[in-house]
Amino acid sequence: EAGVVQSPRYKIIEKKQPVAFWCNPISGHNTLYWYLQNLGQGPELLIRYENEEAVDDSQLPKDRFSAERLKGVDSTLKIQPAELGDSAVYLCASSPRSGQGAFFGQGTRLTVV
Amino acid sequence: KQEVTQIPAALSVPEGENLVLNCSFTDSAIYNLQWFRQDPGKGLTSLLLIQSSQREQTSGRLNASLDKSSGRSTLYIAASQPGDSATYLCAVLTEGAQKLVFGQGTRLTINP
Repeated sequence: EAGVVQSPRYKIIEKKQPVAFWCNPISGHNTLYWYLQNLGQGPELLIRYENEEAVDDSQLPKDRFSAERLKGVDSTLKIQPAELGDSAVYLCASSPRSGQGAFFGQGTRLTVV
Repeated sequence: KQEVTQIPAALSVPEGENLVLNCSFTDSAIYNLQWFRQDPGKGLTSLLLIQSSQREQTSGRLNASLDKSSGRSTLYIAASQPGDSATYLCAVLTEGAQKLVFGQGTRLTINP
């Protein structure tokens, strides 16, 4: 069974440019999470989806971040425009349904210069 | 607001030792607690999942316990090996908001 797949693995962009990350969760997993992890810190939730509905986006900086999960499967996370402080690892995770264990992808390391 | 704390932040031990990593959380209303391993530059690998009704889970040399009422969990690693060197993170899934909240992690180094 394939795990959670994220792309790209690494991305370097100049500040003020847009960037997008893609996540393909484990097949059949209804719950999808996007997390942000700064160096030396634990991951922090950005948004949680149940199927195609964003049920918790309270931590998503909506002025520059957006996310979508079309058809309740793949998801994309976008930043526009990127700022220097957005440099971090962006992690995607999925779970069969709420209340069960989460499985994480390899993450996308973003560097904004 | 749920807060998760892991102590110590870093730990270095010689190979072969048994060791314990600690995790505490402030709100006992949780669905489950999960321990993860993270290697440098990598994503998180799930090690053990303990449901709120369980007291412990075991996988190989790893044993995790959960005391929900006191807000504590421990990860016990037996006969440590250099390959166990990594950052270990615990996370609780909160009831209600169903948010997975992480600790800061313990960076473990096993010296040959």
